[in-house]
Amino acid sequence: SQQGEEDPQALSIQEGENATMNCSYKTSINNLQWYRQNSGRGLVHLILIRSNEREKHSGRLRVTLDTSKKSSSLLITASRAADTASYFCATDLNSGGGADGLTFGKGTHLIIQP
Amino acid sequence: NAGVMQNPRHLVRRRGQEARLRCSPMKGHSHVYWYRQLPEEGLKFMVYLQKENIIDESGMPKERFSAEFPKEGPSILRIQQVVRGDSAAYFCASSLGGSGSEQYFGPGTRLTVT
Repeated sequence: SQQGEEDPQALSIQEGENATMNCSYKTSINNLQWYRQNSGRGLVHLILIRSNEREKHSGRLRVTLDTSKKSSSLLITASRAADTASYFCATDLNSGGGADGLTFGKGTHLIIQP
Repeated sequence: NAGVMQNPRHLVRRRGQEARLRCSPMKGHSHVYWYRQLPEEGLKFMVYLQKENIIDESGMPKERFSAEFPKEGPSILRIQQVVRGDSAAYFCASSLGGSGSEQYFGPGTRLTVT
């Protein structure tokens, strides 16, 4: 599997339900970020969690990070139709070589049924 | 405070022509990153620049692709002699600092090579 791989690839739920997406990665990281991308649009930064943090909240978003399992989850509570989008996790590799490009997974496509 | 600006939003080029993509970072940001996104894929890191310097170009194809971030003006991603496989969305991101900083993305340039 590749660095920053999201699971599931696609998720369809009813409006009002909670949506959970997972991300796994392979190498050590400085931080992990979640982004949202609406169809044909740019990426919107949602939340950044650092390697020494375990959980972070922002509005209806809750992100967890388990560095021992090299995994993160994004929970969206009380989903809305407007949450329909693709969600990507991106890792900032702790390579020590000065490279700061993010590594993205292929994303989870979330569909909220009204 | 304007976000990251990219132009053009859409660019159509015939095989063999040159494509120039421009990116103006957020005000105060001196770190610029370029990513490429193929359909149904996540973003792939191409190059990381600071003013007048290329810091990491490990994701950039060795031939036909070049990037610059001059002292004055936007960052430019240049693709010479485009081929159909270059068709993709190209996103620019900027950040305030280096490693560990949040990256803010522009709306992207969709390049189509006919």
